[in-house]
Amino acid sequence: NAGVTQTPKFQVLKTGQSMTLQCAQDMNHEYMSWYRQDPGMGLRLIHYSVGAGITDQGEVPNGYNVSRSTTEDFPLRLLSAAPSQTSVYFCASSRPGQAEGHEQYFGPGTRLTVT
Amino acid sequence: AQSVAQPEDQVNVAEGNPLTVKCTYSVSGNPYLFWYVQYPNRGLQFLLKYITGDNLVKGSYGFEAEFNKSQTSFHLKKPSALVSDSALYFCAVRDMKGGSYIPTFGRGTSLIVHP
Repeated sequence: NAGVTQTPKFQVLKTGQSMTLQCAQDMNHEYMSWYRQDPGMGLRLIHYSVGAGITDQGEVPNGYNVSRSTTEDFPLRLLSAAPSQTSVYFCASSRPGQAEGHEQYFGPGTRLTVT
Repeated sequence: AQSVAQPEDQVNVAEGNPLTVKCTYSVSGNPYLFWYVQYPNRGLQFLLKYITGDNLVKGSYGFEAEFNKSQTSFHLKKPSALVSDSALYFCAVRDMKGGSYIPTFGRGTSLIVHP
C-alpha cells in the first residue's frame, strides 16, 4: 500500500492564482481530511469528508473548496491564492469504527508559498 | 465541543532521563485520545491511542501514555529518552458523544533531547 499520497510536494503561487492540491489513499478509508499547519498554531482542520459525495467545513474553510467524487481522492482547491494561505498542507484518512478508534494516516504534506 | 491543550511549547530533557509531554482535554462525553509524532519535513505518524480499558497505554518506540479521567489528562511518557526522540508531538481528542467525526489537535510540543 502507498498509504496517503499528496502532490505536489512544493508549490509557489502568485496572489490571485488558483490551484488544486491532490490527495489520494489506497486503504479504502471513508474519512478524509485536510489540515494546514502553521508555526505556533498546530494543525487546523480545513475541510473533511465522511464518504464519497459528502463534505463539510472544518475550522478554517474560507478560501478553499473540496469535493469527494471517489473514495480514494480528496482534492483541495485554492480559488484565489492569498499570502495568508502560505502554509504546509496535510491530507489524512481514517476508517471509522469502534475498534479502530479513528486513528488517522497522514500524507507527507505540500509546502505552499503564496507571493 | 472538544478541545485539547498542550501547555508546553517545548520540553528539554537529557538523553537517558525520563520524559513527559503534557496534554489535557475537554469533551462532553467520553474521549478517544491520540498521540502523534512529526519528524522534520514529514507528515504526522500515529504513536498510540486510548479508547477504553486500561488507563496506561503502550505505543510505538517505547512511548506510553496515562489516561486520567479525573484530571482530564493524557500525558505522554518514556522512561529513557533518546536523541532520536527529538521531534514535534501532537495530542488529539475526539468526543465519543456529539457526532464529531474528526479529532481536534493540540498546538504541538517540541521535544528536544540533549546528548
